Amino acid sequence: QKEVEQDPGPLSVPEGAIVSLNCTYSNSAFQYFMWYRQYSRKGPELLMYTYSSGNKEDGRFTAQVDKSSKYISLFIRDSQPSDSATYLCAIYPGSGSARQLTFGSGTQLTVLP
Amino acid sequence: GAGVSQSPRYKVAKRGQDVALRCDPISGHVSLFWYQQALGQGPEFLTYFQNEAQLDKSGLPSDRFFAERPEGSVSTLKIQRTQQEDSAVYLCASSLVQGNTEAFFGQGTRLTVV
Repeated sequence: QKEVEQDPGPLSVPEGAIVSLNCTYSNSAFQYFMWYRQYSRKGPELLMYTYSSGNKEDGRFTAQVDKSSKYISLFIRDSQPSDSATYLCAIYPGSGSARQLTFGSGTQLTVLP
Repeated sequence: GAGVSQSPRYKVAKRGQDVALRCDPISGHVSLFWYQQALGQGPEFLTYFQNEAQLDKSGLPSDRFFAERPEGSVSTLKIQRTQQEDSAVYLCASSLVQGNTEAFFGQGTRLTVV
């Protein structure tokens, strides 16, 4: 079982729709949960990160973590064509010797005008 | 510079050739990471440096892969005797402090082995 599983998509929605992107993870020791956006032929760009459980909001984006079910989500409100990209969830232990991110496989999102 | 810079952006190598990929992290960033991203997949960890010290190389897939950061700034990822399965995008990321909560990625080097 992979440490992070991400709904593969691809996902295609009309402009203005609410988008829900989801991941599950297996190791309860992870403490930081990130969402990256990656445009075609570019490097990943950090959108937001959450420590432990709860919600975090930044403009049209909301990240949600449920540590009891090991489930992380990103919601995009009022989606725009410029949101079309691949979204990657990532987890980070926050303690111990490991320093790297573990990524999901990404969900490709297309927002149609 | 303003961001993480990687060169070359694209590299085509014949099978068996050696390649060297360069990463210029953001100035002053202590931590530097290399990731490999296959088509349609998320990045996978290769190796981690804190300043010039390579603290974790557990993700390097074989002894053909070698990375260095001799002066604690620029890093080079070298792949010897390239194989077709090495074809991927190689991403470099840096962060200001230890750890990786706010890592900045470069645009990557797309390696194609023919």
